Amino acid sequence: DGGITQSPKYLFRKEGQNVTLSCEQNLNHDAMYWYRQDPGQGLRLIYYSQIVNDFQKGDIAEGYSVSREKKESFPLTVTSAQKNPTAFYLCASSNRGQGEYEQFFGPGTRLTVL
Amino acid sequence: GQQVMQIPQYQHVQEGEDFTTYCNSSTTLSNIQWYKQRPGGHPVFLIQLVKSGEVKKQKRLTFQFGEAKKNSSLHITATQTTDVGTYFCAGSNSGYALNFGKGTSLLVTP
Repeated sequence: DGGITQSPKYLFRKEGQNVTLSCEQNLNHDAMYWYRQDPGQGLRLIYYSQIVNDFQKGDIAEGYSVSREKKESFPLTVTSAQKNPTAFYLCASSNRGQGEYEQFFGPGTRLTVL
Repeated sequence: GQQVMQIPQYQHVQEGEDFTTYCNSSTTLSNIQWYKQRPGGHPVFLIQLVKSGEVKKQKRLTFQFGEAKKNSSLHITATQTTDVGTYFCAGSNSGYALNFGKGTSLLVTP
């Protein structure tokens, strides 16, 4: 059964701690993305990767870091430098890295920093 | 940079009424995509428009891409309670990422 998995669904952390969100896909897609969703703000791009071992900053990359060591995996680390980390985080993938390809989204991780 | 504006932000209709959401870009787009996100869920791809003036239909949903490829619309005829959710447009100008609008949240009451 192909798709994108994100874990955990809900995550709570204390302020000042780094936290890593998992994203795995078995769709054999080259490109992967991380978005942040806040109420009334739509989806804002944090980072994206078109191919293994390569990634680019999106519109709101400050305070976040990523890695792409395997085609299937694109973990996102929310660092203590992110000033307002509480949000809903969505991972997505597409066949290629160009904007002409449909994006498939994971179920999301809701992060709450206390 | 490229911005995609979407209106209205919210729409509340009675079941059976029509609904339209509009999307406008500050620059010419190579393509536009539409997604639907149910409450508590994740965005799901609906359709992609590529050609100037293109119109596509999916049952009660009609999607249009403007002649100048800077605007688009989604029209739902005779809404049903299953149409509830947030509808996002997302545009690309041949870059490597989509720019999402802020979405239109649709509420349908029976």
